Amino acid sequence: AQSVAQPEDQVNVAEGNPLTVKCTYSVSGNPYLFWYVQYPNRGLQFLLKYITGDNLVKGSYGFEAEFNKSQTSFHLKKPSALVSDSALYFCAVRDMLGDSSYKLIFGSGTRLLVRP
Amino acid sequence: DGGITQSPKYLFRKEGQNVTLSCEQNLNHDAMYWYRQDPGQGLRLIYYSQIVNDFQKGDIAEGYSVSREKKESFPLTVTSAQKNPTAFYLCASSISGRNTGELFFGEGSRLTVL
Repeated sequence: AQSVAQPEDQVNVAEGNPLTVKCTYSVSGNPYLFWYVQYPNRGLQFLLKYITGDNLVKGSYGFEAEFNKSQTSFHLKKPSALVSDSALYFCAVRDMLGDSSYKLIFGSGTRLLVRP
Repeated sequence: DGGITQSPKYLFRKEGQNVTLSCEQNLNHDAMYWYRQDPGQGLRLIYYSQIVNDFQKGDIAEGYSVSREKKESFPLTVTSAQKNPTAFYLCASSISGRNTGELFFGEGSRLTVL
């Protein structure tokens, strides 16, 4: 079965410093990986996805993610954090359903706190 | 603007009562999903639907029911059989359940059982 793990419940970083939110995956076959962000009492917003191609994927709001097949990781990164980046971040992997359609399986989430 | 509308945003229910959460999308998406979010557990799939008049159970369907009578609507009923219904419920859609694209989410409905 496909799964993703986010080993950190919370990440703290100072504004202006680079940030990394970690995600590792376990899949059979080629992984389809996603990052979402959630602000308090809001829905999830799509940030970026990896399907195939370049290992460095660029997404919304200056975020990027690095796909590493040998380490089965898909870490989210940003060169310079903003206080407004403080939110809950979810990594997800596509999983096949019985009728040949797909769903997303989400990690447990990592809370990012950027201090001024 | 296109998007997904969930209502109500907040809902309180007494034990033993059924409650229905609304989800409407004007994105012309074929697939729709209901997820449940609990603190520290990520999102878990309740039900999904690929086309009108068809839906399938997800990972935690017990105590829930859905319908898909129209392409744009996918309401979720939380029944009295759901043992722990207090949670944040998220509706999502995608162009097709068979593509590789992302899901689009509504703003969520927070259900509290008193």
